[in-house]
Amino acid sequence: NAGVTQTPKFRVLKTGQSMTLLCAQDMNHEYMYWYRQDPGMGLRLIHYSVGEGTTAKGEVPDGYNVSRLKKQNFLLGLESAAPSQTSVYFCASSWGQSSSYEQYFGPGTRLTVT
Amino acid sequence: RKEVEQDPGPFNVPEGATVAFNCTYSNSASQSFFWYRQDCRKEPKLLMSVYSSGNEDGRFTAQLNRASQYISLLIRDSKLSDSATYLCVVKGSSNTGKLIFGQGTTLQVKP
Repeated sequence: NAGVTQTPKFRVLKTGQSMTLLCAQDMNHEYMYWYRQDPGMGLRLIHYSVGEGTTAKGEVPDGYNVSRLKKQNFLLGLESAAPSQTSVYFCASSWGQSSSYEQYFGPGTRLTVT
Repeated sequence: RKEVEQDPGPFNVPEGATVAFNCTYSNSASQSFFWYRQDCRKEPKLLMSVYSSGNEDGRFTAQLNRASQYISLLIRDSKLSDSATYLCVVKGSSNTGKLIFGQGTTLQVKP
């Protein structure tokens, strides 16, 4: 039982390049989330999904797209990377039921855009 | 005003000390409350949920004051391994499971 995994762990991009971050969970969680964490800003929600085939915008969605084609995977795409997207990206998942809103996090992806 | 506010610290305390963190939240309709712990360059992990009646887990005690909209975390007999950032987390009234994270309070326990 790996929990939540993220690929890749580190990446350096040049401005304008694109990439996809992959999040996978093996807990059969319904809800999944993508956050970014910047110094002094805390965790900010980019996009989230409340079930397979659904996605919704979070607090800071601009410049990102997501897809949830399979329940266990949640992909975050950067179509044209900008230096402002240099950050640590965390994926999380949860049951989403009233009894358990605890979110389980992946180890993070450290992205640098030059 | 931020939805969840914490004093970022750092709090520097000696081993064995008792330390308390407070957090305030702005949405009176918030339903669930948590403390997460985040070690340097690691992911956040749930430390404990916070219940209306207050709850304790070993050396850690969490309290909720709905009337004043604040949450507290008390750590007794601090250990070096308690050094981390503690995130105050609030769930709003929606059914999306979205959590609002505070900026975090950094604790450094020194020998």
